[in-house]
Amino acid sequence: AQTVTQSQPEMSVQEAETVTLSCTYDTSESDYYLFWYKQPPSRQMILVIRQEAYKQQNATENRFSVNFQKAAKSFSLKISDSQLGDAAMYFCAPSGNYDMRFGAGTRLTVKP
Amino acid sequence: DGGITQSPKYLFRKEGQNVTLSCEQNLNHDAMYWYRQDPGQGLRLIYYSQIVNDFQKGDIAEGYSVSREKKESFPLTVTSAQKNPTAFYLCASRAVFNQPQHFGDGTRLSIL
Repeated sequence: AQTVTQSQPEMSVQEAETVTLSCTYDTSESDYYLFWYKQPPSRQMILVIRQEAYKQQNATENRFSVNFQKAAKSFSLKISDSQLGDAAMYFCAPSGNYDMRFGAGTRLTVKP
Repeated sequence: DGGITQSPKYLFRKEGQNVTLSCEQNLNHDAMYWYRQDPGQGLRLIYYSQIVNDFQKGDIAEGYSVSREKKESFPLTVTSAQKNPTAFYLCASRAVFNQPQHFGDGTRLSIL
């Protein structure tokens, strides 16, 4: 099983600025994947980005990118050019062969 | 369109009553999951199933039960032993561990 720590319960960013959300994890599995999900007020879970742990190259998806440090078991999410629609809860989720755990989440507020 | 259907959207439980939350998927996914989300909190894993007729306890299985008689269906029963069942419940599925989970829209359970 994995354990996940998101140390920032709340973050705030000005519209068009950049913000980084932190995530550290622990896992006993050698082969795993990592995901960031977004949950807006509608409570729908939306996939933001995926990272394969065996890849050194950091994943990028439009304005979203990750900084994956495997040795440090760190998986942070960077949001560039923040938009009002980015306001949501963000969850980090490492995934092993069988189960998938989520962090406690970071609530992101975007100020106009 | 393929997806996950959770029903009902809202559910009320009387003291001492068992209630069952429905989760159906037509994505042909092998793995299915149940999570509980309390207000302002992350997702906690209740049960998961990798194949039909097999399931494993997650972190907070006490007071809950599941079945997996069909690939498409993974109902969750909240028993009277669960003393604090008021929460938002999310069902998810995925094909294999390197793929992201797909989520239903959730069921909000409240105590009468």
